[in-house]
This record gives sequence, C-alpha cells and structure tokens, in this order.
Amino acid sequence: GENVEQHPSTLSVQEGDSAVIKCTYSDSASNYFPWYKQELGKRPQLIIDIRSNVGEKKDQRIAVTLNKTAKHFSLHITETQPEDSAVYFCAALLPGGATNKLIFGTGTLLAVQP
Amino acid sequence: DTGVSQNPRHKITKRGQNVTFRCDPISEHNRLYWYRQTLGQGPEFLTYFQNEAQLEKSRLLSDRFSAERPKGSFSTLEIQRTEQGDSAMYLCASSSSGDTQYFGPGTRLTVL
Repeated sequence: GENVEQHPSTLSVQEGDSAVIKCTYSDSASNYFPWYKQELGKRPQLIIDIRSNVGEKKDQRIAVTLNKTAKHFSLHITETQPEDSAVYFCAALLPGGATNKLIFGTGTLLAVQP
Repeated sequence: DTGVSQNPRHKITKRGQNVTFRCDPISEHNRLYWYRQTLGQGPEFLTYFQNEAQLEKSRLLSDRFSAERPKGSFSTLEIQRTEQGDSAMYLCASSSSGDTQYFGPGTRLTVL
C-alpha cells in the first residue's frame, strides 16, 4: 500500500533561518500533497498543498516543491519565527476507489530558537 | 465557529467499557473522515463517509469499532469493550467535493 516517509523527525533552527522538511511517497498515482501544522494539543491545520500538475507553490514564507519523477515533495519555510515551532506532517492522497484517503508521514518536530 | 467540531474533547474510561464520540463537520461538507493518531505518529485513516454512506473502512477498524452518519451531517464513532491499545487521539475531518480535508480538534481517549 501507499507509504509516506518524512525526514527529519526533529529540526532545530535559529530564528530567521530557513527550514526544509522532505517527504517521499510510494504510489505514483498519488496526485495531491497537503502539509499540516499541528501545535501541541491542537488540531492539524492545513498550511499549504500542491497537486501533481504543479511543480512548486508558494504562500508568503512557505513553499512546497514536488518532483513527480522521484516521488519527492518538500516544505520550505523561510525567515522562521518562534511561532513556526510545531509538528509538521506531510501527506499524500491515495486515489482510486471511493475514498480520498490521506496517508501521513510520521511528522517533523520543528523548534525555532529565538 | 464554523469549523469541524468534536465532542467530547477528552474521555477517560475503564477497560471493557463502551465509548461514543461525535463529530460535526463543516456545514455543507458531504465527505467525512475518521482518523486515529497515537503519540509521535501521523494520523491513520479509519473510515470514510460520503453523505450517509460509509464507503471505506480500514483494517485498523476492528469489529469493536462502528461508525455512523445517519443523516449525512454529524457522525458518531463507537468503540465497544475498550482496550488499553485503543488509547489515542481520534480525529474527524471533512471536505467538500475537493481534496482538502479540514480537521477537528480531536477526542483524546484514555483507557485505564
């Protein structure tokens, strides 16, 4: 079945630096890749997503890139701020059948040091 | 608040008891999903409804678990004869006809 691997599991950066989180998916039919931010005890919140017909998408300090050939996608956060500290999850949509089922990575704990 | 809501937010129960959780999706969202999240892991898919029809169930959903969405609006997830391994955060998400899923705050279940 579909599998999503996410690296690194923890990431510590200084405020103002950039952070990059990488994911790899296994099912080449996957066509939608969202990123969620989850603060401690709170719901996963969608921060950005990308579809398979696009190679890059940017929203202010956040960008996502997709390499369909390599089945890689990455989250880039520039000019990090302490409030960016959270767990970030990538996911891939498993198409086919009747379900839009998301398969999640194991998460990256991002700590932004002031 | 027009987002996905879940009740209760926390549930502590003894092993062997039955529990029921409720999810209210974003209004007009016809798709509803249940996920389970354990500490240090990403959410894992449990089941999916389109309107009132339950279209898929994960193998994670043993016969002790049942979910309903009787009128195509709110949904309930019941766990019978709870076990300590059922302790987790149970998340509900909803979407419209597109792919984007919006999550609720979750119900944290602790089975003693």
